[in-house]
Amino acid sequence: NAGVTQTPKFRVLKTGQSMTLLCAQDMNHEYMYWYRQDPGMGLRLIHYSVGEGTTAKGEVPDGYNVSRLKKQNFLLGLESAAPSQTSVYFCASSSGHTGSTEAFFGQGTRLTVV
Amino acid sequence: SQQGEEDPQALSIQEGENATMNCSYKTSINNLQWYRQNSGRGLVHLILIRSNEREKHSGRLRVTLDTSKKSSSLLITASRAADTASYFCAHSGGSNYKLTFGKGTLLTVNP
Repeated sequence: NAGVTQTPKFRVLKTGQSMTLLCAQDMNHEYMYWYRQDPGMGLRLIHYSVGEGTTAKGEVPDGYNVSRLKKQNFLLGLESAAPSQTSVYFCASSSGHTGSTEAFFGQGTRLTVV
Repeated sequence: SQQGEEDPQALSIQEGENATMNCSYKTSINNLQWYRQNSGRGLVHLILIRSNEREKHSGRLRVTLDTSKKSSSLLITASRAADTASYFCAHSGGSNYKLTFGKGTLLTVNP
C-alpha cells in the first residue's frame, strides 16, 4: 500500500519555466490537498479538491493551477516559475473533510527556482 | 492570518524526560490535530481531539484542549531519541475544508 506518492522528489527550475507536480493516492480518498512549506511558516494550503473534477483555492493560490481529472490523482502546475515559489510542496489526502479525519501526506517535492 | 502558533519554537530535552508543546489558535474549531514531521519527510498524523473533548491519550501521547482559551497541549512522556522531530498542530472550523497548520515546535531528544 503506497499511500500518497509525489513525483518528482526534487526539481530545479529556471525562472519562467513551467512544470507539473503529480500526486497519486491509492486509498480511494475523496479529498486531496496541496501545501507548501517554507522555513518558519508552517504549511500553507495552495489548492484543494473535494472530489473528482473539483478544485478550490486555498490561502496562497496565486501562481499555481490544479486539476483533478481522476479521483486518485491531483496535479499542481506552475505556469511560469518564480524564485518565490522555491519551497517544499506536500500533497495530502483524506477520506473526508480534513477537519474531521486525518490527512495522509506524501514525502514532499523540493523545488528550487533559480 | 488564521495560523496557529506553537510554543516553544524549539525544545531540547534528555531521553526519559517529558516534553510539552503548546498550541494556540484564533478561530472556533471542530477539532484539533497533531502531526509529527521527521527531517526531510512528510507529516504523520498523531492524534485528533474533537472540540467537545478535553483530553485524549494515545500511548505515550497526551493531548489536552481548552476551547475557552483556544489552546491545546501535547505531552510526550518518557521521551526517546526517536521522538526527535518537528511537531505541528492543525485545526479547522465550521464547514471550511482547510486544515490550518501552526509553525511547529522542533523537539530534540538527546540520548
